Amino acid sequence: KQEVTQIPAALSVPEGENLVLNCSFTDSAIYNLQWFRQDPGKGLTSLLLIQSSQREQTSGRLNASLDKSSGRSTLYIAASQPGDSATYLCFTSGTYKYIFGTGTRLKVLA
Amino acid sequence: EAQVTQNPRYLITVTGKKLTVTCSQNMNHEYMSWYRQDPGLGLRQIYYSMNVEVTDKGDVPEGYKVSRKEKRNFPLILESPSPNQTSLYFCASSSPYRTDTQYFGPGTRLTVL
Repeated sequence: KQEVTQIPAALSVPEGENLVLNCSFTDSAIYNLQWFRQDPGKGLTSLLLIQSSQREQTSGRLNASLDKSSGRSTLYIAASQPGDSATYLCFTSGTYKYIFGTGTRLKVLA
Repeated sequence: EAQVTQNPRYLITVTGKKLTVTCSQNMNHEYMSWYRQDPGLGLRQIYYSMNVEVTDKGDVPEGYKVSRKEKRNFPLILESPSPNQTSLYFCASSSPYRTDTQYFGPGTRLTVL
């Protein structure tokens, strides 16, 4: 059964720092991996989608990488801002099964 | 605009009173699913549907029913809600190509007293 773990569970940093959020999954037979952000009590905003055949995707200050063989994905946030404060979730797509990671709660201090 | 809509967005009800949360998508997607989100437990899949009249259980299906009579709609039915079903619920849809992105609805916050 697929298990998806995110480390760290919570992170508090000063504004301007470059950040790395980690996502580990136990079953490498995934079709893609998606990163979402969720503001408190709100819905899910899709950030990046990486296909299983890709190594990375970039959008603005965000860069996500995928290493299927080692069961890991990394979300890199450059020059963090207070508006980046949210919970970040990775999400794996397998055969009819979609599994969310445990989440990283990020707080960027002004 | 491509979207997944859910209704109601907020609902407070009492134990045992049947309720339905509706989900609709306008992208002609075959695949739809329901998730619940709970503190400390994260987001977990309840049911999914691969197409009209084809549904299957996710990880936490107990106490829920679904139906898929039309492609665009995938309602979640709680026949006899209990307080442990108090949660934030999300509906999602995608094309059958599993390399495609999942689109999520805005969420339904349900409280069962």
